[in-house]
Amino acid sequence: DAGVIQSPRHEVTEMGQEVTLRCKPISGHNSLFWYRQTMMRGLELLIYFNNNVPIDDSGMPEDRFSAKMPNASFSTLKIQPSEPRDSAVYFCASSLTTRNEQFFGPGTRLTVL
Amino acid sequence: AQSVTQPDIHITVSEGASLELRCNYSYGATPYLFWYVQSPGQGLQLLLKYFSGDTLVQGIKGFEAEFKRSQSSFNLRKPSVHWSDAAEYFCAVVGSNDYKLSFGAGTTVTVRA
Repeated sequence: DAGVIQSPRHEVTEMGQEVTLRCKPISGHNSLFWYRQTMMRGLELLIYFNNNVPIDDSGMPEDRFSAKMPNASFSTLKIQPSEPRDSAVYFCASSLTTRNEQFFGPGTRLTVL
Repeated sequence: AQSVTQPDIHITVSEGASLELRCNYSYGATPYLFWYVQSPGQGLQLLLKYFSGDTLVQGIKGFEAEFKRSQSSFNLRKPSVHWSDAAEYFCAVVGSNDYKLSFGAGTTVTVRA
């Protein structure tokens, strides 16, 4: 298995631009998680999907952030408009079931200038 | 409130020496416990997990961890470290009726020759 796939690996954009991060979970996994990692706050859960349905989006920082999972093999995290404080590494993770171990993708390093 | 504590922010160890990383948690019931490792610029890789049963669990890369209910601890150990073990290590916990993986702040391990 290829593991969790994220794209792009690096993204540099200017403030105000729209950013879309993509994730392909491991086939057969029914839970998908988006995290943000920064030096100041560590790893933060942004949103959790179960069977393609958003269950908990309480970690999404603002309305500028949105996430979708149109099918079991694809999810997006969108930031519109982006701000410099959104600069971080964004991870996608998937698990077979809700409480099983989560498998992380390589992350997308986002820099907003 | 649920919490995960890794008391050591940074540990330096000589190659070939033993390593122990501490993790304490605060949960109402026996949670599921995990250790992840993150190398620079990489995603998180699962080292080992504890769900139930034998309290001493073996993981990849020669790591092991011991669950001690009386101490609410899940410490990670390796008898002899290699230079490639230099990384950041995260303890993580998910509650018995939960889906959120709570991470400790991480311990950075430096290996000196």
